[in-house]
Amino acid sequence: EAGVAQSPRYKIIEKRQSVAFWCNPISGHATLYWYQQILGQGPKLLIQFQNNGVVDDSQLPKDRFSAERLKGVDSTLKIQPAKLEDSAVYLCASSSTGSGGPTDTQYFGPGTRLTVL
Amino acid sequence: AQSVTQLDSQVPVFEEAPVELRCNYSSSVSVYLFWYVQYPNQGLQLLLKYLSGSTLVKGINGFEAEFNKSQTSFHLRKPSVHISDTAEYFCAVTGAGRRALTFGSGTRLQVQP
Repeated sequence: EAGVAQSPRYKIIEKRQSVAFWCNPISGHATLYWYQQILGQGPKLLIQFQNNGVVDDSQLPKDRFSAERLKGVDSTLKIQPAKLEDSAVYLCASSSTGSGGPTDTQYFGPGTRLTVL
Repeated sequence: AQSVTQLDSQVPVFEEAPVELRCNYSSSVSVYLFWYVQYPNQGLQLLLKYLSGSTLVKGINGFEAEFNKSQTSFHLRKPSVHISDTAEYFCAVTGAGRRALTFGSGTRLQVQP
C-alpha cells in the first residue's frame, strides 16, 4: 500500500512570495490533515478535511494560508504572502474512516521543508 | 484546553541499555494518548496508542507505555535499545469530542554504541 505522498520535499522562497504544497493521501482515506512543524516543536494542526469539507481550521492563519481538497482526494496548501516565521516542515496526514475521530490512526507523509529568506 | 509536556529534549543512552521517555499531559476531559516516532527526513510513524482498557500498552519495535491517570503521565519505555532506535519521539493527546492531535515538543533519543 502506497503511503502519503507530498511534493515538493524542499522549497526555498523569499518573504512576500507565494508557495503551494501538494498532498496525495492513502487511497480511500476520507480524512486529511495539514500540520505545521516548526524546528524544535511538535506538529501543530493547521486544517482537517473530511472528504472535501473542512472540519477544523481554527489554527489556520486565514489571512495568508489557504487549503483545498479536490474531489475529496488530493489537497493543496498555499501561503500568500510568506513570512519569515512560516519557515517550517509542512506535514500531511490521512486516516481511513470518515469519522476522523481519535481512534483513527493518522499516517504521515515525509513533509515539505519550507525555508523563507 | 489540552497540552503535552515532554520533559527531556534529548536522551543519550548506550546500546542495549533500557530507556524511558517521559510524557505528561493536561486535559479537562478523558484522553486518548499516542506516541509517534520520526526518523530523519521521514514522516511520523505511530508507535502505540492508549484508547481505553489496560493501562499498559505495547507497540511496535519493542516499545511499551503505561497510562497513569493519577499522575497524568504516559511514559514510553524500552528494555534494551538499538542504534536503529535513534530518532525523535513525540507524545500526543486528544480527547472525546476532539479530532486534532496536540503534540509535545519531542524528545531526541540518541543511542550510542
